[in-house]
Amino acid sequence: DTEVTQTPKHLVMGMTNKKSLKCEQHMGHRAMYWYKQKAKKPPELMFVYSYEKLSINESVPSRFSPECPNSSLLNLHLHALQPEDSALYLCASSQGAGGGYTFGSGTRLTVV
Amino acid sequence: AQSVTQLDSQVPVFEEAPVELRCNYSSSVSVYLFWYVQYPNQGLQLLLKYLSGSTLVKGINGFEAEFNKSQTSFHLRKPSVHISDTAEYFCAVSFSGGSNYKLTFGKGTLLTVNP
Repeated sequence: DTEVTQTPKHLVMGMTNKKSLKCEQHMGHRAMYWYKQKAKKPPELMFVYSYEKLSINESVPSRFSPECPNSSLLNLHLHALQPEDSALYLCASSQGAGGGYTFGSGTRLTVV
Repeated sequence: AQSVTQLDSQVPVFEEAPVELRCNYSSSVSVYLFWYVQYPNQGLQLLLKYLSGSTLVKGINGFEAEFNKSQTSFHLRKPSVHISDTAEYFCAVSFSGGSNYKLTFGKGTLLTVNP
């Protein structure tokens, strides 16, 4: 299995809702990432998990809460989001810096 | 700190013409270099990567890139493009050592292949 699977593919949520994005990989990769991508922009790193521990938080607002339950799963819990948080959220995994990063197809999030 | 500059935001070409997408990087340490492609409403797909060794790297879909350390460049080329190559292309860099796995992207180049 050489894929990163993200669910759901599309999500519409209100500003008072709580939702979660899920990401799964079975490649044995030791690092997993969340990226946010606005239209016509490059992906921006949000969080990095290395060996299931949070190693990088790029000053992301607390309304985004990551969780890594095990080495194959990565969640992003969403609460009280703003319309400007609408974006494509990409999950990725890698064995290391030189192994290449495998990206999922993303979750298209719309906050209304 | 590392950074990546993609010199062209948009590159229009005709079908079957050659194309070069330019990428320059800046880093005080050794880096790994990547090119990714993103089709509309999809995630990123790895085209090719340079880790070490031969400076000419061949990737998928007929693309290749050449690492030039003296010019700190990693330009992407294809000798003959197809309509289906229309997409956004991102150059990216990561450190070759340590535990920092951060991947830094350039701003992207939109390749539009016209009939």
